[in-house]
Amino acid sequence: AQSVTQLGSHVSVSEGALVLLRCNYSSSVPPYLFWYVQYPNQGLQLLLKYTSAATLVKGINGFEAEFKKSETSFHLTKPSAHMSDAAEYFCAVSVRNAGNMLTFGGGTRLMVKP
Amino acid sequence: EPEVTQTPSHQVTQMGQEVILRCVPISNHLYFYWYRQILGQKVEFLVSFYNNEISEKSEIFDDQFSVERPDGSNFTLKIRSTKLEDSAMYFCASSLRQTPSNYGYTFGSGTRLTVV
Repeated sequence: AQSVTQLGSHVSVSEGALVLLRCNYSSSVPPYLFWYVQYPNQGLQLLLKYTSAATLVKGINGFEAEFKKSETSFHLTKPSAHMSDAAEYFCAVSVRNAGNMLTFGGGTRLMVKP
Repeated sequence: EPEVTQTPSHQVTQMGQEVILRCVPISNHLYFYWYRQILGQKVEFLVSFYNNEISEKSEIFDDQFSVERPDGSNFTLKIRSTKLEDSAMYFCASSLRQTPSNYGYTFGSGTRLTVV
């Protein structure tokens, strides 16, 4: 069965600083990987996804993530944090032929200081 | 942009009561899902639904839970006799294709269920 670990339940950065949210996955078969963002009182919004094409994936709002098979990682980055990036971020994995359900990590709450 | 709509946004119910959470998926989507998130915990898969039947369910989705697509537009989750531990945010999602790789899911804003 697949699983996802997000290191750091809370991450705090200053506005303009680099954002790095960590995600490691476990899967016996090639995974599909996703990052979702949840703003307060809202649903889960897809930021980006990896589907076995390019290993560097660009998403919305200036975020990107790189799939590194050797490290089983899919870390989310953004060069310069904005106050509006403050939210909860979830990494998720799905695998072909193991159903179409998503397995989520525990989430990382990003705080952006002025 | 098409949305998945969930109602109500908040529901408070007494332990032992039945609740029905409602969702209107995106109109041309074929696959429907329920997930839940207990406060402070991970988002967990409950059930997927396709062609008017359950295609997958997790161990959480026991006999107290049921899903239905009663009229071709709504997708409901029923909890027959609620327990305190059912208190959570419940998310509905829909997708056009089975494999989320190309299309991903679209999630609703969730229903916060509080069992007292």
